[in-house]
Amino acid sequence: EVQLVQSGAALRKPGESLKISCKGSGYTFNSYWIGWVRQMPGKGLEWMAIIYPGDSDSRYSPSVQGQVTISADKSISTAYLQWRSLKASDSAMYYCVQFAFGELFPPYWGQGTLVTVSS
Amino acid sequence: EIVMTQSPATLSVSPGERATLSCRASQSVSSKLAWYQQKPGQAPRLLIYGASTRATGIPARFSGSGSGTEFTLTISSLQSEDFAVYYCQQFNDWPPLFGPGTKVDIK
Repeated sequence: EVQLVQSGAALRKPGESLKISCKGSGYTFNSYWIGWVRQMPGKGLEWMAIIYPGDSDSRYSPSVQGQVTISADKSISTAYLQWRSLKASDSAMYYCVQFAFGELFPPYWGQGTLVTVSS
Repeated sequence: EIVMTQSPATLSVSPGERATLSCRASQSVSSKLAWYQQKPGQAPRLLIYGASTRATGIPARFSGSGSGTEFTLTISSLQSEDFAVYYCQQFNDWPPLFGPGTKVDIK
C-alpha cells in the first residue's frame, strides 16, 4: 500500500526558514515523480514543485520559482520542500503527492502539513 | 500554461438527484484530464483519470466524459457523502494545473 506521511504542523515567524518532509513507502521511491501542492485557507489547489528522486530532476511552478526548493533523499525515501525566508502569504496547507507512473496526475496524497507564518 | 475553468462555481443538488459538473481547458489536453473530490479537512481524492477511467474503489455513480477542451463529471445519484468540492486537473503539460473547483452542496 502506497503511503505518504508528512511532517507535522509548523508555526514560524516571517523571515524564518522551514523544511517540511514527506516519507514515501509501499512503492519504489526512486521511480515515481513526487511533488507538493499548496492550498491556502478556503482556496483551491496550486502546484509548487515536483522532483524525480531517481536523478533529482525537478520542475517548479512559475509562480513559486526561486521562492522554494524541492529536494529528495533516496536513502530514506523522503522528499522535502524548503523555504529560506517565509512570508505570511506562505501560510497554507501543503500536500505531498505521488504521481502515476509516467503521468502528471497524483493518485496518492499525503495527509497535509499546515504551515502558519505569523509574527 | 494551460488554464482550467470549471462551472458552475456552486451546484445545489438534492440527494438522489443527478449532478453534472463542467471543466474546460484553454487548449486541447486530449484525454489527459483528472477529477478529484475534496471534503472539508481532508486531502483530495482521485476519482477519474484519462477523462473517463474511474480510479480504484470509486463507485460507478461517478463517470467522466469529454476530450480536447470540454469535459464533464457526472454523479448519477448523489449520496450524502458526495457533497464536497470537485476539482479537474489537466496532465497534458507542465504545470498540470487544477481548475478552481465546483462546490456541490445540499439543496
